[in-house]
Amino acid sequence: AQTVTQSQPEMSVQEAETVTLSCTYDTSESDYYLFWYKQPPSRQMILVIRQEAYKQQNATENRFSVNFQKAAKSFSLKISDSQLGDAAMYFCAYRRVGANSKLTFGKGITLSVRP
Amino acid sequence: GAGVSQSPSNKVTEKGKDVELRCDPISGHTALYWYRQSLGQGLEFLIYFQGNSAPDKSGLPSDRFSAERTGGSVSTLTIQRTQQEDSAVYLCASSLEVGGGAWDTQYFGPGTRLTVL
Repeated sequence: AQTVTQSQPEMSVQEAETVTLSCTYDTSESDYYLFWYKQPPSRQMILVIRQEAYKQQNATENRFSVNFQKAAKSFSLKISDSQLGDAAMYFCAYRRVGANSKLTFGKGITLSVRP
Repeated sequence: GAGVSQSPSNKVTEKGKDVELRCDPISGHTALYWYRQSLGQGLEFLIYFQGNSAPDKSGLPSDRFSAERTGGSVSTLTIQRTQQEDSAVYLCASSLEVGGGAWDTQYFGPGTRLTVL
């Protein structure tokens, strides 16, 4: 079974600084997807970024980028120029390729941003 | 376009009562998932619908939980004889699931917070 581990329950970053959130996973599949979702207090899960395992290039979305290390099964999220609106819970998630594939989530990390 | 919507936003019920939670997926999305988010268990998969195929119910925690999806669109999650351990946020997600690529991304609704007294 696939597992996703987020070992840091909380992190804090100064506004405008950079922060990296860690995630590791375990799978026997060779192709799969990885995601970071953001969940603010409104509860809405918002997709931040996704990575296809077959792509070597790390995904980027504006201030958000990932460091995908397939051999190490590591998938960290870097947030540059942190903003107050980035404060939220962040979940790392895995799913295999194809239909009928549930998301397997990590426990999440609470990110606070200091003004 | 409209995103995934869920109702009610919050539901408080007494132990032993039945509750129904509703999910409206993004128009055109063929796949629909239900997840439960609780303090002790994190985010757990409950059930999956895809078109007219039989649903994958492998994540339902007990036979008190059931779900249906009418006309390939709206879904209702029903919890019978609610227990205090059912208190959680119930999240619905939909995805296109036609081929691979970006269509596999699941988009979430705002969830229903269920409190069982």
